[in-house]
Amino acid sequence: RKEVEQDPGPFNVPEGATVAFNCTYSNSASQSFFWYRQDCRKEPKLLMSVYSSGNEDGRFTAQLNRASQYISLLIRDSKLSDSATYLCVVTRSGYSTLTFGKGTMLLVSP
Amino acid sequence: DGGITQSPKYLFRKEGQNVTLSCEQNLNHDAMYWYRQDPGQGLRLIYYSQIVNDFQKGDIAEGYSVSREKKESFPLTVTSAQKNPTAFYLCASRSGTLSNQPQHFGDGTRLSIL
Repeated sequence: RKEVEQDPGPFNVPEGATVAFNCTYSNSASQSFFWYRQDCRKEPKLLMSVYSSGNEDGRFTAQLNRASQYISLLIRDSKLSDSATYLCVVTRSGYSTLTFGKGTMLLVSP
Repeated sequence: DGGITQSPKYLFRKEGQNVTLSCEQNLNHDAMYWYRQDPGQGLRLIYYSQIVNDFQKGDIAEGYSVSREKKESFPLTVTSAQKNPTAFYLCASRSGTLSNQPQHFGDGTRLSIL
């Protein structure tokens, strides 16, 4: 089983839709979690950290389920500009490297 | 502006040639990383450094070399031993190695073979 797994998509949604992605991780010692956004041919950019109690930033909500070992990202009221690949990232205490998922592609259409 | 600067943006390599990709950061971050991304693929770790004058191999270090003589700089050399160097190279830094610290990326260098 891969350390971090994501559905590659693409997820095709109309503007205004709500869409959710999941990311599963295999190592129960994983400690911190992030969502990054990567536009085509650009560098990844930090979207948000994921906290144990869940957290929200505008239209974006991140959740962590440690029992089932997954994190989720919910996007409400999708905009055309949300079209991108969303990368799930996991770290472990005592490790200086991060593990990136391969990403989920989102395409928002008019 | 504080950030991570990679140069050049585009680079072409001839057969048998070594090329060096530059990465400079003014964020005062301790840790720096190099990744490679192939089309439609995830990021793969080449090398990383947690402190000046020290660095560790990542998952795909063969054919690459690095140095960390200054905190701000972490250049990557793609040697002639790397037979398939065409990729998007990303440099990242992180303020520390605590697990709750995210990475921040430069805008990348695209390397192609002539």
